Amino acid sequence: DTGVSQDPRHKITKRGQNVTFRCDPISEHNRLYWYRQTLGQGPEFLTYFQNEAQLEKSRLLSDRFSAERPKGSFSTLEIQRTEQGDSAMYLCASSFKVSAYGYTFGSGTRLTVV
Amino acid sequence: EDKVVQSPLSLVVHEGDTVTLNCSYEVTNFRSLLWYKQEKKAPTFLFMLTSSGIEKKSGRLSSILDKKELFSILNITATQTGDSAIYLCASSRRGGSEKLVFGKGTKLTVNP
Repeated sequence: DTGVSQDPRHKITKRGQNVTFRCDPISEHNRLYWYRQTLGQGPEFLTYFQNEAQLEKSRLLSDRFSAERPKGSFSTLEIQRTEQGDSAMYLCASSFKVSAYGYTFGSGTRLTVV
Repeated sequence: EDKVVQSPLSLVVHEGDTVTLNCSYEVTNFRSLLWYKQEKKAPTFLFMLTSSGIEKKSGRLSSILDKKELFSILNITATQTGDSAIYLCASSRRGGSEKLVFGKGTKLTVNP
């Protein structure tokens, strides 16, 4: 499978716990993006990496959220002290430069905070 | 703040019908408008539009951009049940920001 992979597919956690999601982009893509999507809404931008550098962060990304891409390949998104409002689909996408074909999205990680 | 508005939010048609989905935008330093199809999880890329008046076409789907009136339409002719999905419109900016700003999507249901 040469697409964007996300793990896990689903995560149920209790409020206050920490969770970490992983994204493996398409191997030749140097740009990686995280988005969050709630029911009835379009995806909302969270953050963007070019290689290992985190170049842009949304105001949505509170201090409980942190993302890394340590070697410019896979990325992790960690949410500390989860809240019910964090329940959403977390989508990862990747691209090579500014592509004429937009991003390629992964299938997402659905987080439910109970 | 950049804004993308899609209409209608929901649409139910019969197989064989033609549909038009609308997307209007307010974007500083506009670069492009993109359409995605989201069936279950991952949005899949349909079109990227950067120039006014040039229609992009893929099979029964086509799209066009009007940069003067700040909108785009996505047309689907001879709809099939497999076209049932959420269609997302997104805008991008010039000048360093790589993020896309998405609309809420149009949920299309095609009944047999």
